[in-house]
Amino acid sequence: DGGITQSPKYLFRKEGQNVTLSCEQNLNHDAMYWYRQDPGQGLRLIYYSQIVNDFQKGDIAEGYSVSREKKESFPLTVTSAQKNPTAFYLCASSTLPVGSVVLQYFGPGTRLTVT
Amino acid sequence: DQQVKQNSPSLSVQEGRISILNCDYTNSMFDYFLWYKKYPAEGPTFLISISSIKDKNEDGRFTVFLNKSAKHLSLHIVPSQPGDSAVYFCAASANYGGATNKLIFGTGTLLAIQP
Repeated sequence: DGGITQSPKYLFRKEGQNVTLSCEQNLNHDAMYWYRQDPGQGLRLIYYSQIVNDFQKGDIAEGYSVSREKKESFPLTVTSAQKNPTAFYLCASSTLPVGSVVLQYFGPGTRLTVT
Repeated sequence: DQQVKQNSPSLSVQEGRISILNCDYTNSMFDYFLWYKKYPAEGPTFLISISSIKDKNEDGRFTVFLNKSAKHLSLHIVPSQPGDSAVYFCAASANYGGATNKLIFGTGTLLAIQP
């Protein structure tokens, strides 16, 4: 059945290490997004992509990198430059917006803990 | 600058009564609004949306009201059920004419339904 998968569900890393979070969708959506959720801060946009091999920075892109080599996949790398990497990371996808109408579907999330 | 605000971090309602969740926005360009529901350690799921050409949209127990002059929207859940206990996010988007129309999320309201 169609949906968005994120793996792993929980991830632990030592400080100073880069880590890549996986996001795959089989909804045939053109657009994909990465958010992080911190307590009391809602969802903040990290990166988004509307088409293969193209992506744009969101509001908090520093310390993160992405790639979009395939339509179905949008991996996020949390680099050692990210000062507060411990968070809940959410991937989403959507069809391209029609005017301002955009409905994003979310994956189950990855909880990253860096110690 | 928080363009979408949910000023109540939490709300407690008795089962069977009405739950009213509120959301305020500052950007007058926003013309499409959504509510998402999120359980702990899961991704948000879409609940209901409304376009600025309407002032009310209803789907079963869920109704969203939009007051454009006050830049305010609210989600009514009636009757409230135990499964409604979750965090509710308000989100908004605008048509910037060709640019990717991103969703801007509020900080969320934790709704607890008491038996």
